[in-house]
Amino acid sequence: AQTVTQSQPEMSVQEAETVTLSCTYDTSESDYYLFWYKQPPSRQMILVIRQEAYKQQNATENRFSVNFQKAAKSFSLKISDSQLGDAAMYFCASASNSGGSNYKLTFGKGTLLTVNP
Amino acid sequence: GAGVSQSPSNKVTEKGKDVELRCDPISGHTALYWYRQSLGQGLEFLIYFQGNSAPDKSGLPSDRFSAERTGGSVSTLTIQRTQQEDSAVYLCASSLRIGRGQPQHFGDGTRLSIL
Repeated sequence: AQTVTQSQPEMSVQEAETVTLSCTYDTSESDYYLFWYKQPPSRQMILVIRQEAYKQQNATENRFSVNFQKAAKSFSLKISDSQLGDAAMYFCASASNSGGSNYKLTFGKGTLLTVNP
Repeated sequence: GAGVSQSPSNKVTEKGKDVELRCDPISGHTALYWYRQSLGQGLEFLIYFQGNSAPDKSGLPSDRFSAERTGGSVSTLTIQRTQQEDSAVYLCASSLRIGRGQPQHFGDGTRLSIL
């Protein structure tokens, strides 16, 4: 079974600064996908960034980038130039083909990010 | 709108009543997923549909839970004889097709409160 661990229940950052959210995962698969989702108070889960495990290059999306360390099974999210609108719960998630279940996401418990003006 | 639509947004009901939650996926998305988000359990996968078929129902917490999808579009999640532990936010997501790399697009969820 897959597991995803987010060790930081809460984080805070000053507006315009950079913050890194941690995530580790466990899977026996060699090919899988990792995701970061953002959930603001509106409840809608919004995809922030996606990483394919067989790709060496770290994914980037504007101010969001990941540090993917496959051997260490680590997948951290870096938010640069933090904005007030970045305040939300952030979930790390994985999807693999373990047991043929390539359809579901396994989520971590989430990190609540506060952005201070 | 172009996103996943869920209704109702909030539902309060008495213990023992049946409830029906609705999900309207993004047009053209063949895969549809239900998740439950609660304080104690985090985000749990419940069930998925490929077209109208639900190949794996093992994520449903009990036989009081059922789901169906008709016409490859709208899905309903039904909870019979609700219990207080069913209180949670029920999230629906859809993706263009099944596959581990497919981004899942979520709705705003239905907050279910059992009195």
